[in-house]
Amino acid sequence: QKEVEQNSGPLSVPEGAIASLNCTYSDRGSQSFFWYRQYSGKSPELIMFIYSNGDKEDGRFTAQLNKASQYVSLLIRDSQPSDSATYLCAVKVRGSARQLTFGSGTQLTVLP
Amino acid sequence: DTGVSQNPRHKITKRGQNVTFRCDPISEHNRLYWYRQTLGQGPEFLTYFQNEAQLEKSRLLSDRFSAERPKGSFSTLEIQRTEQGDSAMYLCASEIGGRDTQYFGPGTRLTVL
Repeated sequence: QKEVEQNSGPLSVPEGAIASLNCTYSDRGSQSFFWYRQYSGKSPELIMFIYSNGDKEDGRFTAQLNKASQYVSLLIRDSQPSDSATYLCAVKVRGSARQLTFGSGTQLTVLP
Repeated sequence: DTGVSQNPRHKITKRGQNVTFRCDPISEHNRLYWYRQTLGQGPEFLTYFQNEAQLEKSRLLSDRFSAERPKGSFSTLEIQRTEQGDSAMYLCASEIGGRDTQYFGPGTRLTVL
């Protein structure tokens, strides 16, 4: 079992719709959770982080965390074609060197 | 605003050659990480520095790989006797202690022929 799992996609949504991206993790010692966006050929760009159970909103983005279910999600409201990218879920585990452990990413395409 | 910078951006080399990459972190970020990313995968952790001390290395970091951060500022990653399997994007990230968020540089794409 991989430590961080994501559906690889591709996920396609029409412009203006809500895109829902999901991630599960295996280590219950995980304490910090991150979403990065990566355009093709570019490096990851941090878009959201969340530490506590519940929702965290930032503009069109909402991160949701459920530690009991070991589940993190990212919702993108009013999706735009410019949101088309690979979305990487990453976690940090307590007591480690604080490195990020990444999933393989979900490829999102927003159709005009 | 100076983010994380990496040089070179692209490197093509022949199998068996040595290569060295440089990372300049965001000013005052005392933590520096190296990751490697292959196509279709997320970045994988290689090594971590806090200031000039290399505090952790992944088992992915074979003895052909060495990293330094001599003055606690920029870092270098050297790969000796490159192999085709070393072809990947090498990413550097920096973080300020206590802030818990890592920012990535543009990466160095290595192609080993």
